[in-house]
Amino acid sequence: GAVVSQHPSRVICKSGTSVKIECRSLDFQATTMFWYRQFPKKSLMLMATSNEGSKATYEQGVEKDKFLINHASLTLSTLTVTSAHPEDSSFYICSAGRLAGVFGHEQFFGPGTRLTVL
Amino acid sequence: AQTVTQSQPEMSVQEAETVTLSCTYDTSESDYYLFWYKQPPSRQMILVIRQEAYKQQNATENRFSVNFQKAAKSFSLKISDSQLGDAAMYFCAYRRGSNFGNEKLTFGTGTRLTIIP
Repeated sequence: GAVVSQHPSRVICKSGTSVKIECRSLDFQATTMFWYRQFPKKSLMLMATSNEGSKATYEQGVEKDKFLINHASLTLSTLTVTSAHPEDSSFYICSAGRLAGVFGHEQFFGPGTRLTVL
Repeated sequence: AQTVTQSQPEMSVQEAETVTLSCTYDTSESDYYLFWYKQPPSRQMILVIRQEAYKQQNATENRFSVNFQKAAKSFSLKISDSQLGDAAMYFCAYRRGSNFGNEKLTFGTGTRLTIIP
């Protein structure tokens, strides 16, 4: 159990267009979803935290008008990169949080989406 | 703010040998959790092992064990009997304890582990 999917796995788009990435928890309801960005050979950088039905909380330095996050249900969160530019090219990873007994809450990661902006 | 430091960008080990990856962290919290994640070439993040700060006993998962030194704020990962499938990036991560379920993970910069056949 605890499977998280992301769609698409890869996307190539032209500069100036918008791209939507979906993150779904397939077999559990996620209390919270997280969006990370990872540059090549670098660590994961948290972009934002979202809870179902409420506005996302963005990390310092992340443009909320650029990276729109919608968490419409307990199993689906979307990240939309608006007016994408080449510098937005990166690997985007989501994780979904679930209550996990003594650990309070555990995050399960999606397989990631590679975005390339031409 | 919490920080996680991994001072070894790259490590290598002979197959079947033992290797230890280092991690230190800084926090003023008393309730927190520590994790080691593996990221193979597929980029899928996989939880390797986790430790609750209030537990003195070091966590163990098969060939993986940790050395948790709370006073020193150190959390190293030992991989015994290394296998080719262990080759990956390993990230140490910290999470503050919470009853609300929305605490974020703070990751270290990672250690790339190579297994030599």
